[in-house]
Amino acid sequence: QSGLTQPGSVSGSPGQSVTISCTGTSTDVGVHKYVSWYQQYPGKAPKIIMYDVDKRLSGVPDRFFGSKSGNTASLTISGLQTEDEADYYCCSYAGSYTWVFGGGTKLTVL
Amino acid sequence: QVQLQQWGAGLLNPSETLSLTCGVSGGPFSGYFWTWIRQPPGKGLEWIGEISHLGTTNYNPSLKSRVTMSVDGSKSQFSLKLSSVTAADTAVYYCATEVSFRFEVWGQGALVTVSS
Repeated sequence: QSGLTQPGSVSGSPGQSVTISCTGTSTDVGVHKYVSWYQQYPGKAPKIIMYDVDKRLSGVPDRFFGSKSGNTASLTISGLQTEDEADYYCCSYAGSYTWVFGGGTKLTVL
Repeated sequence: QVQLQQWGAGLLNPSETLSLTCGVSGGPFSGYFWTWIRQPPGKGLEWIGEISHLGTTNYNPSLKSRVTMSVDGSKSQFSLKLSSVTAADTAVYYCATEVSFRFEVWGQGALVTVSS
């Protein structure tokens, strides 16, 4: 059970769009619809923002969009705002009641 | 809305057993799987395992031999024990709720440092 692969960092200017990829395998991301995304500010606990690939939690702006193709899930944030600067983690159900996380992506809003 | 408050020893010697407890308030103790997740300093998240209110457990295969989880429904608490710790187990440990294959509510986190 290896971790999901995310880019270490992404960046964008206010108003731009960025996409964070999350690559797994045919035993996790590729076969299950249970991909979730978490936003974490420094020193704080992670907070869920997306689940079941593309469903936003209540209160999450529709600037956040989730998708999946094959073994790769993606989180796209459009209309970047300074408050979006945080670490983002993907997570996938991996079968047999186990879960696997990505290594995290640091989003910098320039 | 369920809230989680966690506590436990923050400094351990190598080979000791890590012990953390998470208290649940503001919601039912049944209906969730109670989860532990950890995050080494500056690194990503790792799912440790989960336990239901009835005591059914699921563990990360990489940690299974050292992990024990338990519940106390009368106190609305659940606990984590990790044996034979090493420096690699140094991390912030979070308790969380798992429902419908997602982790919705998280505790505040507890830093556990393993050092001689």
